[in-house]
Amino acid sequence: DQQVKQNSPSLSVQEGRISILNCDYTNSMFDYFLWYKKYPAEGPTFLISISSIKDKNEDGRFTVFLNKSAKHLSLHIVPSQPGDSAVYFCAASDKNRDDKIIFGKGTRLHILP
Amino acid sequence: IAGITQAPTSQILAAGRRMTLRCTQDMRHNAMYWYRQDLGLGLRLIHYSNTAGTTGKGEVPDGYSVSRANTDDFPLTLASAVPSQTSVYFCASSPGQDTDTQYFGPGTRLTVL
Repeated sequence: DQQVKQNSPSLSVQEGRISILNCDYTNSMFDYFLWYKKYPAEGPTFLISISSIKDKNEDGRFTVFLNKSAKHLSLHIVPSQPGDSAVYFCAASDKNRDDKIIFGKGTRLHILP
Repeated sequence: IAGITQAPTSQILAAGRRMTLRCTQDMRHNAMYWYRQDLGLGLRLIHYSNTAGTTGKGEVPDGYSVSRANTDDFPLTLASAVPSQTSVYFCASSPGQDTDTQYFGPGTRLTVL
């Protein structure tokens, strides 16, 4: 039973354009959401997060949108740069229950020159 | 040491052998975690520790054990390795019992033959 779903295993975007990575979740108790970025042969690194009391959080080129009614969040990267090529993991947690993060399977983003 | 380190970087192990993966952090973080990353399955939590002296089971704990004798170290032991434990293992830490950010180590690539 996959609680955090990233249905696109990979995505290719032209440099300079917007990259949109999508994530769906099934557990309505999730109240905190995160995106991690991972380069090959390295550990994941935290990118951006959003609490369920918000519907948008922005940090530079990265914006996360949360639609609680649809149980959907997305990560927008604009403009996309070559260094953005990586695997992106969506993650969620229920802070009221415990501090365990549930990760999605990841989406590999390719930024094309 | 800066951040979180793991050893070894990679290891090839015969089935049935015992193996301990090491993880050390110098950030004085209370919580530590062990994940495995498998192709198509994302990151799955094996065991965690909210504070020194305590441990808990994650999503896939079978075949693994952990200990947390002090704040800095969180070793993961495979008592009798099996081929299905071939994976990349990531250790992570976070400041407290919250999910704001987990900091990941560089990973250990383990192959069990």
